[in-house]
Amino acid sequence: GENVEQHPSTLSVQEGDSAVIKCTYSDSASNYFPWYKQELGKRPQLIIDIRSNVGEKKDQRIAVTLNKTAKHFSLHITETQPEDSAVYFCAASRDGGFKTIFGAGTRLFVKA
Amino acid sequence: ETGVTQTPRHLVMGMTNKKSLKCEQHLGHNAMYWYKQSAKKPLELMFVYNFKEQTENNSVPSRFSPECPNSSHLFLHLHTLQPEDSALYLCASSQEAGANVLTFGAGSRLTVL
Repeated sequence: GENVEQHPSTLSVQEGDSAVIKCTYSDSASNYFPWYKQELGKRPQLIIDIRSNVGEKKDQRIAVTLNKTAKHFSLHITETQPEDSAVYFCAASRDGGFKTIFGAGTRLFVKA
Repeated sequence: ETGVTQTPRHLVMGMTNKKSLKCEQHLGHNAMYWYKQSAKKPLELMFVYNFKEQTENNSVPSRFSPECPNSSHLFLHLHTLQPEDSALYLCASSQEAGANVLTFGAGSRLTVL
């Protein structure tokens, strides 16, 4: 079945450094790739997404890249801040499908 | 408030109890979902309803029974649960099922004794 692999499971960086989280998907028909942030005790919330007709998208300190050939996509956070500490989930879905499949999550720690 | 409300927020039940989780969305969305979130595991899709019709049942045991009376409400009926069913149950909605943003509720933390 469809699955999404996410690495690393835990990431610790110094404040101001960059963080990169990588995901690989199996369903070649996937065409929508959202990223969700879940702070401790809170609900997952969308932070950025990308569709398959685009290779890169940026929103302030956050960017996502997509390589359709390799079936992987990445989240890049620059100039990290303590409030970026959370669990980040990548996901994949497709038009005409009903499932959004999530990666296992990456717990990001930003040390002040 | 994000527009997706779940009740109760916390639930403790014995293995022989029957209880229900409720989800309500005020976003005008047509798809609603139940996800199970356990520690150190991916969010597991349980059920999908698109325009009130169940479109996915992800091999969920029959002790979990969903109900979607209309596009705004979703229930998860629980009976004869096992301790391994203890988890955070997240409801979500989207404009339609498929390649769309999910809006999550705050979740119902279930503990089965």
